[in-house]
Amino acid sequence: GDSVTQMEGPVTLSEEACLTINCTYTATGYPSLFWYVQYPGEGLQLLLKATKADDKGSNKGFEATYRKETTSFHLEKGSVQVSDSAVYFCALRSTGGFKTIFGAGTRLFVKA
Amino acid sequence: DTAVSQTPKYLVTQMGNDKSIKCEQNLGHDTMYWYKQDSKKFLKIMFSYNNKELIINETVPNRFSPKSPDKAHLNLHINSLELGDSAVYFCASSLQDSGNTIYFGEGSWLTVV
Repeated sequence: GDSVTQMEGPVTLSEEACLTINCTYTATGYPSLFWYVQYPGEGLQLLLKATKADDKGSNKGFEATYRKETTSFHLEKGSVQVSDSAVYFCALRSTGGFKTIFGAGTRLFVKA
Repeated sequence: DTAVSQTPKYLVTQMGNDKSIKCEQNLGHDTMYWYKQDSKKFLKIMFSYNNKELIINETVPNRFSPKSPDKAHLNLHINSLELGDSAVYFCASSLQDSGNTIYFGEGSWLTVV
């Protein structure tokens, strides 16, 4: 079945450091790929998405490119801020659209 | 206006009790979900409804019974609560197409003692 694997955390960075959170997936067909972010005490919210191969999603300085050849959707940011501290989830939504599968989440701590 | 709202936000109850969590969305979406998040933040789908019809039931115990009176509401009733049911339960909604974003409620923190 479909699955999402993302790097385990926690990830601890200093402010202005570069961030990469790896995400790979297994799916049949042509899924859409998402990154969601969860701040403490809140629900998940969309950070960015890509719906077809080679698409790049971007938002708030974060980017991820849908790579079909490597079945990856790695999240990157060039300079993190303390306010980026949260849990990040990679997700896959299969063709047909009724099921979104989430990775295990990666907790990011950014120190001032 | 809150797009996906669920109540109550916090719920502490004893083992064996029955409780309900209500969810409403005002986004005009046709698909609604219940997700369970455990203490390690792992998020697992429980149910998915499309136009009030059950589409996904991920081997959830029969003690959990969702009800969708209309497309804008999806409630979750839990019978005979167990300690292992303690978790955060998220309601969510979306349009059906696979490219569409899921919108989450703020979560209901259930603690069974």
